[in-house]
Amino acid sequence: SQTIHQWPATLVQPVGSPLSLECTVEGTSNPNLYWYRQAAGRGLQLLFYSVGIGQISSEVPQNLSASRPQDRQFILSSKKLLLSDSGFYLCAWSLRGGYTFGSGTRLTVV
Amino acid sequence: EDQVTQSPEALRLQEGESSSLNCSYTVSGLRGLFWYRQDPGKGPEFLFTLYSAGEEKEKERLKATLTKKESFLHITAPKPEDSATYLCAVQAGSGSARQLTFGSGTQLTVLP
Repeated sequence: SQTIHQWPATLVQPVGSPLSLECTVEGTSNPNLYWYRQAAGRGLQLLFYSVGIGQISSEVPQNLSASRPQDRQFILSSKKLLLSDSGFYLCAWSLRGGYTFGSGTRLTVV
Repeated sequence: EDQVTQSPEALRLQEGESSSLNCSYTVSGLRGLFWYRQDPGKGPEFLFTLYSAGEEKEKERLKATLTKKESFLHITAPKPEDSATYLCAVQAGSGSARQLTFGSGTQLTVLP
């Protein structure tokens, strides 16, 4: 069966520090991968998606970047965090329709 | 641009008091409408996919319906464990990316 792993679960980082969030999928090949951010009391905002290794599409201009170095690995990064980067980050995968989400990372930038 | 609007934003029910959540959408070429349940601090959990107007799906106390403009999530005789945020999302277009556009959710609280 397919599983998705996302870590860390929580993270507190100072303003200006770098960020790296990792997501891996098991049990499937060539999935579409997605990074979403969820602000408090709001819906999910699509940040990046990838349809294959090295293929990244950005939905929202921002302080973040994404990479897909392997088929089932998706990384969200930042060189210098801003206060506005705080939020709940969710990774998801899709093969033929609906998404399966990871458990999320709560990022607090202080 | 695809748009999804959910109402109400919050709903408080007594245990056993049935109600419905609404999801209205504007998309070009609907491929699917999805309902998810999200508990605090966790990722959304898949509930249903609906593909065409008139389609209905059921799971325990939940029933999802779809028209050409909106979807309803009916909750029959809810229990406190049904308390969660319910998210609606649409998938549209013909590309391979299959992005979902989400509504802002309905926060459901079921009181014992």
